[in-house]
Parts: sequence; C-alpha cells; structure tokens
Amino acid sequence: EAQVTQNPRYLITVTGKKLTVTCSQNMNHEYMSWYRQDPGLGLRQIYYSMNVEVTDKGDVPEGYKVSRKEKRNFPLILESPSPNQTSLYFCASSLSIAGADGYTFGSGTRLTVV
Amino acid sequence: AQSVTQLGSHVSVSEGALVLLRCNYSSSVPPYLFWYVQYPNQGLQLLLKYTSAATLVKGINGFEAEFKKSETSFHLTKPSAHMSDAAEYFCAVSDPDSWGKLQFGAGTQVVVTP
Repeated sequence: EAQVTQNPRYLITVTGKKLTVTCSQNMNHEYMSWYRQDPGLGLRQIYYSMNVEVTDKGDVPEGYKVSRKEKRNFPLILESPSPNQTSLYFCASSLSIAGADGYTFGSGTRLTVV
Repeated sequence: AQSVTQLGSHVSVSEGALVLLRCNYSSSVPPYLFWYVQYPNQGLQLLLKYTSAATLVKGINGFEAEFKKSETSFHLTKPSAHMSDAAEYFCAVSDPDSWGKLQFGAGTQVVVTP
C-alpha cells in the first residue's frame, strides 16, 4: 500500500530533550515536506526537500532540523524542544516538485513539550 | 507569496442540505488548487484538485469545486450533506514556481446536524 509513515503518533517530552520524528514514504516520491498544524492557523510548512541531500526552509523553520540522506526518509529533528513547539506535525510527499499532484500525508504526530 | 482565505472557521449544515465552503486565493497567475479533508485523529486526504484542465472539478464523496479565475475563487460544494461529512476542510494552493509548496488556508470545521 502506498503510504507515508510517521512515528511516533503521540509523544510527550520535556523542554530541552532532543527528539526525532521519523517519516518514510514507499512511493519513490521526489518531494517531501514537514508541516505543523495549529488551531486557527491551518498548516504551515517547516522544511521541505526536493531530493536526496537537497533541503530548504519553509515558513516556520526555527527550532527544527531535517535531513534527507535517502530518498524514502525525511526525519524531523528538534534539538532542544520548547513548549511553543507543542503541535500536530505532518509529513507529506509528492511525486512532482512542480506541485501539480498534491501531497500524500502521514497520519500525524501529536507532540507535547512540557 | 501565495495566500489562501477560507471564509468561516465553522459551518453548520443540516443533513441533506447543501454544503458550501468558500476559498479565495491571492495569485494573479492560475495556480494549482486543492481541497483536503481531515477526519478526527487522522491525516489529510485529498478531495479534489484543479490543475488547469476543466474548471469544474469533481472529487470523492460527492464533492465538487469550481475554479473562477475572475473571482480568484475555488469554492467547494456538495448538494446533500451526510453525517459522515463532518470533518475539517482545508483549501490549498500551489504556485508552479514555488517548488511544490502548498499554502493552506486556516480550515473550516463542518458540523452536520440531523
């Protein structure tokens, strides 16, 4: 089944403790992206990647890191999480970098930083 | 940069009534346009997309949307609401020059009453 898999689904952590949210897609998609969803704000892009070793900042990159060492994987790293990073996170992938195909989304990771 | 405006953060409709969700975008160049649906505790699922073919686009679950360039709008409709349509709906736009980035609206929560 074609899908984007995120782990974990739920995570509670303490301020400053480094964490990684994994994302993997099995569709051989070129484009991958991370979004955060907050009430009343919709989804905002954190980082994106157009191919292996090619990543760039989205609209809200502060406090996050990403890497794209393999085409299928695009982990999101929070080096020192803070409470304002409490949010619902989605990984997404797309066949084309031109944006015509839309995204396939993962099921989301609900992160709480206390 | 693109922006997307969804009119109404909450919409309540009676079962069997018309569903109308409004979306306006800011681009002067026809972009790619999408509607996504998010059911509770799930990721986003693509309802339909416009990519410069027919201006009336049909999607899944009986939804359709009409692209109106003169009004920079892409409103979503369904003739007869079903209880299972209760969800949050997001309009998104992709600028062909923006490397696949989707800009999302803030979302509209749809409540269906018996």
